[in-house]
Amino acid sequence: GENVEQHPSTLSVQEGDSAVIKCTYSDSASNYFPWYKQELGKRPQLIIDIRSNVGEKKDQRIAVTLNKTAKHFSLHITETQPEDSAVYFCAASVNQAGTALIFGKGTTLSVSS
Amino acid sequence: DAGITQSPRYKITETGRQVTLMCHQTWSHSYMFWYRQDLGHGLRLIYYSAAADITDKGEVPDGYVVSRSKTENFPLTLESATRSQTSVYFCASSERPNYGYTFGSGTRLTVV
Repeated sequence: GENVEQHPSTLSVQEGDSAVIKCTYSDSASNYFPWYKQELGKRPQLIIDIRSNVGEKKDQRIAVTLNKTAKHFSLHITETQPEDSAVYFCAASVNQAGTALIFGKGTTLSVSS
Repeated sequence: DAGITQSPRYKITETGRQVTLMCHQTWSHSYMFWYRQDLGHGLRLIYYSAAADITDKGEVPDGYVVSRSKTENFPLTLESATRSQTSVYFCASSERPNYGYTFGSGTRLTVV
């Protein structure tokens, strides 16, 4: 079945710096890759997603890149702010049908001012 | 986001007892999911459902039972609770495959 590895597990940056979180997946049939942000004590919330027919997608300070050949995708956050501090999860669809998502173990991002 | 609700928010139960966690969504989403969240393990898929009366096992289904007699409800039952099932349980729904989820607020379950 699908396996998703996420690195690093923790990431500390200064306000204004960039942050990059990387994920790899095992199932070459996967074609949907969302990212979720979870603030302390809250539910995970979708922040951006990318599909296999696209190499990069941007939404303001957030971007995601996908390399299907290498089976890895990354989240890039520019000009980080203290409110970006949270746990970030990557996920990949379990198969081409995309009936469910398998999540990485998460990255705790801390942005200090 | 108020369209998907979980109950109870907190539950303490004893080892060996049966407990049911409820999940209800008002969007008529076809897909519903149960995940458990534990430190160091992220979100692990327990069971999912593509439609009423259709359910499938996820990564960690042992010790859990689900049903989906109506599109809007997807209860998760622990038949005989164990301490290892102490966790935060999230329900989620999605309107179609390869689409983003909306998560419920979660149920924090403690098995003593």
